[in-house]
Amino acid sequence: QKEVEQNSGPLSVPEGAIASLNCTYSDRVSQSFFWYRQYSGKSPELIMSIYSNGDKEDGRFTAQLNKASQYVSLLIRDSQPSDSATYLCAVGGYGQNFVFGPGTRLSVLP
Amino acid sequence: DAGVIQSPRHEVTEMGQEVTLRCKPISGHNSLFWYRQTMMRGLELLIYFNNNVPIDDSGMPEDRFSAKMPNASFSTLKIQPSEPRDSAVYFCASSPTRNRVEQFFGPGTRLTVL
Repeated sequence: QKEVEQNSGPLSVPEGAIASLNCTYSDRVSQSFFWYRQYSGKSPELIMSIYSNGDKEDGRFTAQLNKASQYVSLLIRDSQPSDSATYLCAVGGYGQNFVFGPGTRLSVLP
Repeated sequence: DAGVIQSPRHEVTEMGQEVTLRCKPISGHNSLFWYRQTMMRGLELLIYFNNNVPIDDSGMPEDRFSAKMPNASFSTLKIQPSEPRDSAVYFCASSPTRNRVEQFFGPGTRLTVL
């Protein structure tokens, strides 16, 4: 049974700070990794995908993947109140079947 | 481009009634997924289709749930009979190809079974 774990939070950071969200997964053969943002009452929105070890940057977002440690993280620089949401980590194998983590609720305080 | 379209957006029904949720994936996407989200269980995959063929339905909770994809642009998730514990938000998602596996979600259907 594949498992994806995240800290449930809430994670509170002041505006302008770096928010660090973490995710671990159990299936060593996982190939694809995603971060989704979900605002309350809305659907999950894809914000980052990463497939190779290392860092991937997109604007204020950086995804970090370490397959040896089975760990993927999301850093949000210069956090804004509009970043307040639940962040879902999703992990996929060779197919397209993802396993989603429970999500981490982030609160950015003005 | 239109995203994933789901209908209805809200459904309130009484226990024992049949419920049908509908989904239109993004044009050109080959795979379609049905998820259920609750506070207690998070986001759960119910079933997914590749090229209109069901690939994995192991997440379908019981025989009361069924899903079809008669063509590349339409899918249904049916619950018959519905029960209060089926109350949840049901999402449909689609992804482009087997080599591009990012999934894009529809707005969801909020189902309440009284």
